[in-house]
Amino acid sequence: EAGVAQSPRYKIIEKRQSVAFWCNPISGHATLYWYQQILGQGPKLLIQFQNNGVVDDSQLPKDRFSAERLKGVDSTLKIQPAKLEDSAVYLCASSLTGGFTDTQYFGPGTRLTVL
Amino acid sequence: GDSVTQMEGPVTLSEEAFLTINCTYTATGYPSLFWYVQYPGEGLQLLLKATKADDKGSNKGFEATYRKETTSFHLEKGSVQVSDSAVYFCALIPEGGYQKVTFGIGTKLQVIP
Repeated sequence: EAGVAQSPRYKIIEKRQSVAFWCNPISGHATLYWYQQILGQGPKLLIQFQNNGVVDDSQLPKDRFSAERLKGVDSTLKIQPAKLEDSAVYLCASSLTGGFTDTQYFGPGTRLTVL
Repeated sequence: GDSVTQMEGPVTLSEEAFLTINCTYTATGYPSLFWYVQYPGEGLQLLLKATKADDKGSNKGFEATYRKETTSFHLEKGSVQVSDSAVYFCALIPEGGYQKVTFGIGTKLQVIP
């Protein structure tokens, strides 16, 4: 079974530029998550989709971050404009149902450096 | 709100030593508890989980027991190997409803030959 795919793996941009990350979850998984992991910290949930609807985006900085999940499958996370403090690894994960005992499967992440 | 507290690292052990990484949590009811591992340059992988009080999760020689009375989920391994060097994250998902994972800060383990 193929895992969660993310691209690109690395991205370096100047502050105030925009950037987009792509995620393809495991086939058949209803729930998709985007996390931000700042160096030395645990992942922080940014947004959670159930199929193509948003379940939780309470920690998403909506003035600069946006995300969509196309047809309940792939997802894109965008930052516009980027700030220095956005430098982090952005992790995508998916789970079969989103139930609280379900297992989340993580992609390899995209490491963003904002200069 | 929900929270997870992990011992700060790094933890450095010699090969074949006994490992304990402490994790305590704050949450109402009976959350599900998880340990994830992140090897260098890779994404997080589920190591083990427990979804009920007194359950023991185990995988690859690692174990953790869900202790409701002490709100703990400590990770243990009897004999670590160099290949166990990684960052270990304790996490919880609150009881019921959709998942909302809360992670600890992670504990870096370095095993030396």
